[in-house]
Amino acid sequence: QQQVKQSPQSLIVQKGGISIINCAYENTAFDYFPWYQQFPGKGPALLIAIRPDVSEKKEGRFTISFNKSAKQFSLHIMDSQPGDSATYFCAASKGNQGGKLIFGQGTELSVKP
Amino acid sequence: GAVVSQHPSWVICKSGTSVKIECRSLDFQATTMFWYRQFPKQSLMLMATSNEGSKATYEQGVEKDKFLINHASLTLSTLTVTSAHPEDSSFYICSAPRQGGTDTQYFGPGTRLTVL
Repeated sequence: QQQVKQSPQSLIVQKGGISIINCAYENTAFDYFPWYQQFPGKGPALLIAIRPDVSEKKEGRFTISFNKSAKQFSLHIMDSQPGDSATYFCAASKGNQGGKLIFGQGTELSVKP
Repeated sequence: GAVVSQHPSWVICKSGTSVKIECRSLDFQATTMFWYRQFPKQSLMLMATSNEGSKATYEQGVEKDKFLINHASLTLSTLTVTSAHPEDSSFYICSAPRQGGTDTQYFGPGTRLTVL
């Protein structure tokens, strides 16, 4: 059973545009929702994370929007740049699981110049 | 920021041999580390939780006798793929949360294993 569903699978955005990636979760016990960026052949790097007590968090060009009632959260990348081209993963974890992350399927983002 | 290293970064081995992959937290202690496996164009799948001083906890479907995990110190966990076969070829990644810190996990750069 896939506990975290991510969409779209791939995304093409023009330079300067907004990239939006969505995730939905099933387990209401999840209380930590990070987004990771991964370049080919590299390990994932944490971009931004949110907890259910806030509806939005912004760090630079990256914003997480969180909808607890809908059990959904999304990543918005403003002013997308070719250097943002990578695979993005959402994830979720429960506080009593010692940090064990459940990942979404991933979104391959391509930003065209 | 916190740094996690892995060694080797890539390894090629013959079928039937064993391969050891190291995961080190360089500037913090980690009582827990996680091992993931990632096939091309796919997501990260958690294999096991490595616990310092105790046995690892394996996810359902992961063979504990094939993927041996040892967490000998607060900064080192090792994953040994025993009797490797071509289907074990994959990208293996470890991660660690900083001890006593938040849920933030720091990932290693990954190890590419190719079994011939």
